[in-house]
Amino acid sequence: GAVVSQHPSRVICKSGTSVKIECRSLDFQATTMFWYRQFPKQSLMLMATSNEGSKATYEQGVEKDKFLINHASLTLSTLTVTSAHPEDSSFYICSARDRRSEKLFFGSGTQLSVL
Amino acid sequence: KQEVTQIPAALSVPEGENLVLNCSFTDSAIYNLQWFRQDPGKGLTSLLLIQSSQREQTSGRLNASLDKSSGRSTLYIAASQPGDSATYLCAVRPPNSGYALNFGKGTSLLVTP
Repeated sequence: GAVVSQHPSRVICKSGTSVKIECRSLDFQATTMFWYRQFPKQSLMLMATSNEGSKATYEQGVEKDKFLINHASLTLSTLTVTSAHPEDSSFYICSARDRRSEKLFFGSGTQLSVL
Repeated sequence: KQEVTQIPAALSVPEGENLVLNCSFTDSAIYNLQWFRQDPGKGLTSLLLIQSSQREQTSGRLNASLDKSSGRSTLYIAASQPGDSATYLCAVRPPNSGYALNFGKGTSLLVTP
């Protein structure tokens, strides 16, 4: 089946640093990618939707200048958490929509811990 | 705004039991509903997808039903096994959402040998 590769799986960083998370569709082209965030014991919440070659659409309450999303190709989207703070510690997961089948596939997630 | 609720939050059963996980949603205008499995440190695996016009879907020991008018879905797992232990997520896709999903908090299932 289709695979979405997400890296890194876990990252620990100091407060104030920036962290980049990559999401790649390995055997399909992803027209649209979605970035979700999940705090402990909470549901996955959509942060933003990115379409290849255009600016991402952010959900209400998500700072676009803090969470930079780049979707430069049909197989790669990146989420950069800029100047991370402890409250940004969370589980981040991407989802990619197959251009042909229109099915959704999820990455394995990234656990971010900001000290 | 669509709210998705899953009950129970956690469930522990002995191996071999049949069990039911519940999902409710506040807005019956949905495009489809999907059940996922989430294992620790891993991504989501889609188990069953029910279109809004469908009543149920089956895959192996899993059966999911959808009652859109009452805003409810159930996931039935027959003859549970320890390997079924995971968190089960219910997600609805609103119409015109561009494939974005609204998730419940999940049910954490533990099947003991």
